[in-house]
Amino acid sequence: DTGVSQDPRHKITKRGQNVTFRCDPISEHNRLYWYRQTLGQGPEFLTYFQNEAQLEKSRLLSDRFSAERPKGSFSTLEIQRTEQGDSAMYLCASSHEGGYTQYFGPGTRLTVL
Amino acid sequence: RKEVEQDPGPFNVPEGATVAFNCTYSNSASQSFFWYRQDCRKEPKLLMSVYSSGNEDGRFTAQLNRASQYISLLIRDSKLSDSATYLCVVLSYSNYQLIWGAGTKLIIKP
Repeated sequence: DTGVSQDPRHKITKRGQNVTFRCDPISEHNRLYWYRQTLGQGPEFLTYFQNEAQLEKSRLLSDRFSAERPKGSFSTLEIQRTEQGDSAMYLCASSHEGGYTQYFGPGTRLTVL
Repeated sequence: RKEVEQDPGPFNVPEGATVAFNCTYSNSASQSFFWYRQDCRKEPKLLMSVYSSGNEDGRFTAQLNRASQYISLLIRDSKLSDSATYLCVVLSYSNYQLIWGAGTKLIIKP
């Protein structure tokens, strides 16, 4: 399977704990995006990378959130001191540079108790 | 006002019927438009891009009205498998970001 993969698929954690999610994009795609989606809403943009450079961050990305893409391939999204409001589906997508079609991974569903 | 607005539905439609959704966008600088489909608890998947002249892909037809700033999706001869949430997506050339609507839920009934 050469699509976008995400790990883990589900994560349950207690409030205050740190969590880290991983995304592996389609190998030839140099753009990688992170979104958050809650029930009944469309995906909300969090941040995106072109190769290893993080080019834009949404104001939704508080200082508790950090994303990296150190070698321009896979990316990680870390949430520190999780809050119940962080419960959502975290989606990763990738695309070619200059291409507007984004291909999504299956998402990581986070539940903060 | 949200940048991209959709009727959340649900639209309950009998199998074989024709159904249409509209989506309005507020940023006149928007240049590219898409419809994505999302099944329950799954990731969004591209259904079709929307071209200025309108375009068709099998039973699906997309239209763009720049003057009124809306796009539409028409589904003919609906199938049970068309049941999903349809997300309207707009690309802003000002920051090259995709702006997503909240989706319209479609339920096709036998």
